[in-house]
Amino acid sequence: DADVTQTPRNRITKTGKRIMLECSQTKGHDRMYWYRQDPGLGLRLIYYSFDVKDINKGEISDGYSVSRQAQAKFSLSLESAIPNQTALYFCATSPVDRTYGYTFGSGTRLTVV
Amino acid sequence: RKEVEQDPGPFNVPEGATVAFNCTYSNSASQSFFWYRQDCRKEPKLLMSVYSSGNEDGRFTAQLNRASQYISLLIRDSKLSDSATYLCVVRDNNNDMRFGAGTRLTVKP
Repeated sequence: DADVTQTPRNRITKTGKRIMLECSQTKGHDRMYWYRQDPGLGLRLIYYSFDVKDINKGEISDGYSVSRQAQAKFSLSLESAIPNQTALYFCATSPVDRTYGYTFGSGTRLTVV
Repeated sequence: RKEVEQDPGPFNVPEGATVAFNCTYSNSASQSFFWYRQDCRKEPKLLMSVYSSGNEDGRFTAQLNRASQYISLLIRDSKLSDSATYLCVVRDNNNDMRFGAGTRLTVKP
């Protein structure tokens, strides 16, 4: 099984719909992140969480919300999806030690029509 | 100016070639540096961390120049399986990870 699991893998939704992307991990890491990737722009941070009670906005949090249900679970919601939220979304985890990089989930490809 | 900048490529090289990618970063107080590999429509995977003294892992060599604020990745004896996008990643002094947009490499027979 993957260390970081994202569901769904692909999703097509209509403008205005609420959608939730889920992420779970077996790494035992405290830190979890949500990124989106768009062609030519690299990965951009949406939200991050350093533990269950600690949630922080990233650089592009507008239109998104998150929930850290447990150490192992971090979900991302689009309250009212719009077409420019069409992107590839990645969940990532990391340990506290800053010398380590991230472990990414396999991504969710979201299309808003 | 982007915080982490990479030449987007694409770099098209024959098998067996040596290819080098550079990356520049804007925050001089950055703490840690990484190269990630990303295959098409897949997640980024850590290729190697980059240390101040430079480091090597098989055919891959990473170097860091703090004075000039750039990082490099050298791939020797390129294989078809090296075809991917290579992401430069910098952890700044606020512990935020900054990603370059990636350099695309295609190795051809």
